[in-house]
Amino acid sequence: AQTVTQSQPEMSVQEAETVTLSCTYDTSENNYYLFWYKQPPSRQMILVIRQEAYKQQNATENRFSVNFQKAAKSFSLKISDSQLGDTAMYFCAFMNVRNTGKLIFGQGTTLQVKP
Amino acid sequence: DAGVIQSPRHEVTEMGQEVTLRCKPISGHDYLFWYRQTMMRGLELLIYFNNNVPIDDSGMPEDRFSAKMPNASFSTLKIQPSEPRDSAVYFCASSSPPNAGGADTQYFGPGTRLTVL
Repeated sequence: AQTVTQSQPEMSVQEAETVTLSCTYDTSENNYYLFWYKQPPSRQMILVIRQEAYKQQNATENRFSVNFQKAAKSFSLKISDSQLGDTAMYFCAFMNVRNTGKLIFGQGTTLQVKP
Repeated sequence: DAGVIQSPRHEVTEMGQEVTLRCKPISGHDYLFWYRQTMMRGLELLIYFNNNVPIDDSGMPEDRFSAKMPNASFSTLKIQPSEPRDSAVYFCASSSPPNAGGADTQYFGPGTRLTVL
């Protein structure tokens, strides 16, 4: 069974600084997708970034980038130039390509951006 | 695009009452998912549909829960009878066909916060 682990329950960062959120996963599959979702206080789940396992290049979306280490089964999220609006809970999620219905979520990391 | 639409946004009911949550997926998406989020258990997949057909309902907690998708633009999640332990935020999500660009990415609705007294 696949599992996703986020070992940092809470983190904080100063505005304009850079922060990295950790995520590890366990799977025997070779083809899968990884995601980071953001859940602000409004509780809306917002897709931040997506990575296909077959792609070696790390995904980037504006200030958000990932460090995907397939062999180590690690998928960290880097937020550059942190903004107050980045304050939220962040969830790492795994999806097996052969079972595209099941998104498996980590426990979440609460990030607070301080002015 | 209006995104995934859920109603109601908040629901407060008494134990034993029937509760119906509603979802309208993004137009063109043929996968629809129901999730439950609690502090204790995090985000759990309850059930998902493909082309209106239930594919996997192994996450449905018990027979008190049922879900339907009568057409491509509407789904319901019903709890009858409701219990206090059902209090949670219920999310609906949808995704596009596997061969479409950005396929398999699930887009979530705003959620329904259910409180059962």
